[in-house]
Amino acid sequence: GDSVTQMEGPVTLSEEAFLTINCTYTATGYPSLFWYVQYPGEGLQLLLKATKADDKGSNKGFEATYRKETTSFHLEKGSVQVSDSAVYFCALSDRNSNYQLIWGAGTKLIIKP
Amino acid sequence: NAGVMQNPRHLVRRRGQEARLRCSPMKGHSHVYWYRQLPEEGLKFMVYLQKENIIDESGMPKERFSAEFPKEGPSILRIQQVVRGDSAAYFCASSPTAGANVLTFGAGSRLTVL
Repeated sequence: GDSVTQMEGPVTLSEEAFLTINCTYTATGYPSLFWYVQYPGEGLQLLLKATKADDKGSNKGFEATYRKETTSFHLEKGSVQVSDSAVYFCALSDRNSNYQLIWGAGTKLIIKP
Repeated sequence: NAGVMQNPRHLVRRRGQEARLRCSPMKGHSHVYWYRQLPEEGLKFMVYLQKENIIDESGMPKERFSAEFPKEGPSILRIQQVVRGDSAAYFCASSPTAGANVLTFGAGSRLTVL
């Protein structure tokens, strides 16, 4: 079945460092891909999405490109801030349903000042 | 707009007790979804409800788990006779229409079974 694999955390970086959180997927067909973020004590928020191959999603300085050839959707940011500390989830839409999402396990990001 | 409200945020139960988790969707949202996150795993879909109807319960365990979304009041996820394996974070999401692109999630309810 479809699945999502994320790099394990926690990922610890210094402020202004470059961030990459890897996400690869296995799916039949052409799912949509998502990154969600959960800040401490808050709900999951949609960070960005891409609906077809080569699309680039971007928001708040974060970017991810839908790479069909490598089945990847890596999250990147050029210069992280302490306020980016959170748990990041990669997900894809189930091909049989437009409301079920298949999720990675989440990657905790810690940014030190 | 208060967003999706879940309560309690933390719930502790002993084996054999019942757990009730509540979810109030965003104002104007009539679609509610429940997901469960077991330790070290991603979220797993459980059930999709609209007002007074269960649309898809394909992710619900066959026994002990039930969900409802009455005409008035919050959606309830009920777990009877809890076991330690039920310990997890339970997330609720809502949307104005059916579609994964428009889900708004709550902060989750963490259930611990002693």
